[in-house]
Amino acid sequence: AQTVTQSQPEMSVQEAETVTLSCTYDTSENNYYLFWYKQPPSRQMILVIRQEAYKQQNATENRFSVNFQKAAKSFSLKISDSQLGDTAMYFCAFMKHAGANSKLTFGKGITLSVRP
Amino acid sequence: ETGVTQSPTHLIKTRGQQVTLRCSSQSGHNTVSWYQQALGQGPQFIFQYYREEENGRGNFPPRFSGLQFPNYSSELNVNALELDDSALYLCASSLVSGNGYTFGSGTRLTVV
Repeated sequence: AQTVTQSQPEMSVQEAETVTLSCTYDTSENNYYLFWYKQPPSRQMILVIRQEAYKQQNATENRFSVNFQKAAKSFSLKISDSQLGDTAMYFCAFMKHAGANSKLTFGKGITLSVRP
Repeated sequence: ETGVTQSPTHLIKTRGQQVTLRCSSQSGHNTVSWYQQALGQGPQFIFQYYREEENGRGNFPPRFSGLQFPNYSSELNVNALELDDSALYLCASSLVSGNGYTFGSGTRLTVV
């Protein structure tokens, strides 16, 4: 079974600064998908960024980028130029494959607070 | 395009009762999944439907059941409610799951 670990329960960052959220996972699969989701107080999970394991290049979406280390089974999220609207819970998630039973396995999440 | 909508947003039920939660998938999405999120935890996978057939299930008892309709909307039914069923229930839909799922804002269920 796959597991996802987010060991930092909370983090705080000053507005405009950079913060990195950590995530490790355990799997015996070679091909899989990794995601970071953001959950603000509105409760809706919002997809921040995705990474396909067979792609060596780290994914980037505007101010969000990942550091994907496949051998170390690490998938950290870097948020540059932090904004007040980035305040939310962030979840790292693993998906074994697309198609049937393509479930997401989530970590426990990390609460990020951006200070003005 | 419309997103994923869930109803109701909040619900209070008594232990032993039955509940039905509803989800309207994002337009064109043929796969829907349901998750249970306890307070302060990450979501846990309940089950998944693809074109009206269940094609994946998590570690939840049979009293958790679901349906997907021809228009790809979906229901989650929970029978014989227990206090531990109190949680946020999230619906998520996808056309190509490798691209990620689109989530609704959830239904907050409280069992008393």
